[in-house]
Amino acid sequence: GQNIDQPTEMTATEGAIVQINCTYQTSGFNGLFWYQQHAGEAPTFLSYNVLDGLEEKGRFSSFLSRSKGYSYLLLKELQMKDSASYLCAVFSDDYKLSFGAGTTVTVRA
Amino acid sequence: ETGVTQTPRHLVMGMTNKKSLKCEQHLGHNAMYWYKQSAKKPLELMFVYNFKEQTENNSVPSRFSPECPNSSHLFLHLHTLQPEDSALYLCASSQEGPGTPYNEQFFGPGTRLTVL
Repeated sequence: GQNIDQPTEMTATEGAIVQINCTYQTSGFNGLFWYQQHAGEAPTFLSYNVLDGLEEKGRFSSFLSRSKGYSYLLLKELQMKDSASYLCAVFSDDYKLSFGAGTTVTVRA
Repeated sequence: ETGVTQTPRHLVMGMTNKKSLKCEQHLGHNAMYWYKQSAKKPLELMFVYNFKEQTENNSVPSRFSPECPNSSHLFLHLHTLQPEDSALYLCASSQEGPGTPYNEQFFGPGTRLTVL
């Protein structure tokens, strides 16, 4: 089976930086997604990495190291609206999307 | 309506009831998915439909019965559920079916199901 691990919860202060790590062990690799999910709402797409390195999109960046089976999502200049659950998901060999349990980020004033 | 919509948003049912969840996507996508999201657990893929044909049944109990009458609509028929089936049921769609690289899935807001 697929194994995707990420921390359960993280807390940070408004304006700070938070890094959410994700490690994976899957049967093959065809890309990694990060999704944001506010309570009671749909998960929404944040980023996609298929090659090693850093992808930057405004305040959010995502990094991938395929050799280490590791990714992180970096949230900069945190805002209260960033309080949400962040889901790491991996496309394995058969292009099925496997999800981690999600990391709940709480931003405090 | 835009994106992926789901109705109802909340549902409470007894173990002997029969109910249905509805999903509609307004994105012109070809594939649709049902996921189960339980508290503190990863999203679990239940069913996949590609061009209205079921391509995946992830060992889901028969008390869950999917139906895909066309590429835009997906139903999940529920009967004789158990309390442990209480969860958030998410529908998603993607432009292409499974097996395609960079196949971003767009999610609906989910139906919060409680089985008493």
